[in-house]
Amino acid sequence: RKEVEQDPGPFNVPEGATVAFNCTYSNSASQSFFWYRQDCRKEPKLLMSVYSSGNEDGRFTAQLNRASQYISLLIRDSKLSDSATYLCVVAYSSASKIIFGSGTRLSIRP
Amino acid sequence: DAEITQSPRHKITETGRQVTLACHQTWNHNNMFWYRQDLGHGLRLIHYSYGVHDTNKGEVSDGYSVSRSNTEDLPLTLESAASSQTSVYFCASRESQDRSEAFFGQGTRLTVV
Repeated sequence: RKEVEQDPGPFNVPEGATVAFNCTYSNSASQSFFWYRQDCRKEPKLLMSVYSSGNEDGRFTAQLNRASQYISLLIRDSKLSDSATYLCVVAYSSASKIIFGSGTRLSIRP
Repeated sequence: DAEITQSPRHKITETGRQVTLACHQTWNHNNMFWYRQDLGHGLRLIHYSYGVHDTNKGEVSDGYSVSRSNTEDLPLTLESAASSQTSVYFCASRESQDRSEAFFGQGTRLTVV
């Protein structure tokens, strides 16, 4: 079983729609969680960290459920520019390796 | 501004040759990582380092080696390149603090023919 699992998609939704991704992780010792965005095989870039209480950044909301070991990303009012691959990322501690999910492809259509 | 750079950006090499990919960061981060990315597999960890003279194997380390002689650099060496090592390689660095983000280089596209 992979340490971090994501639905690969693709998710194809119309502009303005709300879309949600989930990600599960297998190691309960995981401490830090992130969502990264990757465009067209360019380098991944941080979208947002995920905090225990959940957090929001504009149209993006991230949630963490430690009991069920999953994190989620919600995108509201999706824009064409949101089309990308979204990577779920987990780290066990501050000085530890970071593990990536295989990514979820999102395509926003006009 | 601090940054992380990879070189070369593109390389074509022949099977059996030794190849070294460079990664240099000016963030002064202790933690550095090498990943490869292939369709259907996402980013897979090859090797990582927590500091000078520290190196660790990741999930796909066979055929690769790294060395860490200073904080700034973590070169990745393919001892004898194989066609299965054709991929896009990303280097990353990260502070040793909880919730610190990882910064990535722009990637190296390696083709082994």
